[in-house]
Amino acid sequence: AQKVTQAQTEISVVEKEDVTLDCVYETRDTTYYLFWYKQPPSGELVFLIRRNSFDEQNEISGRYSWNFQKSTSSFNFTITASQVVDSAVYFCALSEEEGAQKLVFGQGTRLTINP
Amino acid sequence: DTAVSQTPKYLVTQMGNDKSIKCEQNLGHDTMYWYKQDSKKFLKIMFSYNNKELIINETVPNRFSPKSPDKAHLNLHINSLELGDSAVYFCASSQGGTGVLDTQYFGPGTRLTVL
Repeated sequence: AQKVTQAQTEISVVEKEDVTLDCVYETRDTTYYLFWYKQPPSGELVFLIRRNSFDEQNEISGRYSWNFQKSTSSFNFTITASQVVDSAVYFCALSEEEGAQKLVFGQGTRLTINP
Repeated sequence: DTAVSQTPKYLVTQMGNDKSIKCEQNLGHDTMYWYKQDSKKFLKIMFSYNNKELIINETVPNRFSPKSPDKAHLNLHINSLELGDSAVYFCASSQGGTGVLDTQYFGPGTRLTVL
């Protein structure tokens, strides 16, 4: 069965620090997608990134970067030079080819960036 | 030019009442979903429809009935509301059908409070 674990429930850092959010997943499928979503205090769910299981290249988008490692079943998210606006709950999620596209979410990590 | 919209944004009602939440997407997507986010922020799939056909029904009580009049709309009707139904309900949509993995885009959420 598919499962996503975000072991860090809450993280609090001071602005400009780098921070990494961990995500570990379980799946028996060979074809799957991994996602990160951001939920700011306003409540909406904002799509950040999608990786497929055949593409282990790391990705960088501005201050955000993602490290996908199939060997450890991890898909970690790093924010460099964090800003107060990065404060949100971040969700890692998994979608399997055999799972009718349903997203299985991790428990979420609440990130607080203090000025 | 909202992509996925939900109405209402807030819904406060008494136990035992029947209520509906509406969802519309203007992305031309084939698949729509309902997710429930509980008080601990945990997100779980409830239903998905592909081109008006029910694909996923995740052990949700019979009091919840999704209805898809066309592929751009997926409404959620809840009968005999209970205190435990209080949550935020998110609608989402994605391109492609069963077995086709794609990104899901979420609506702003509907916060349901049952008194």
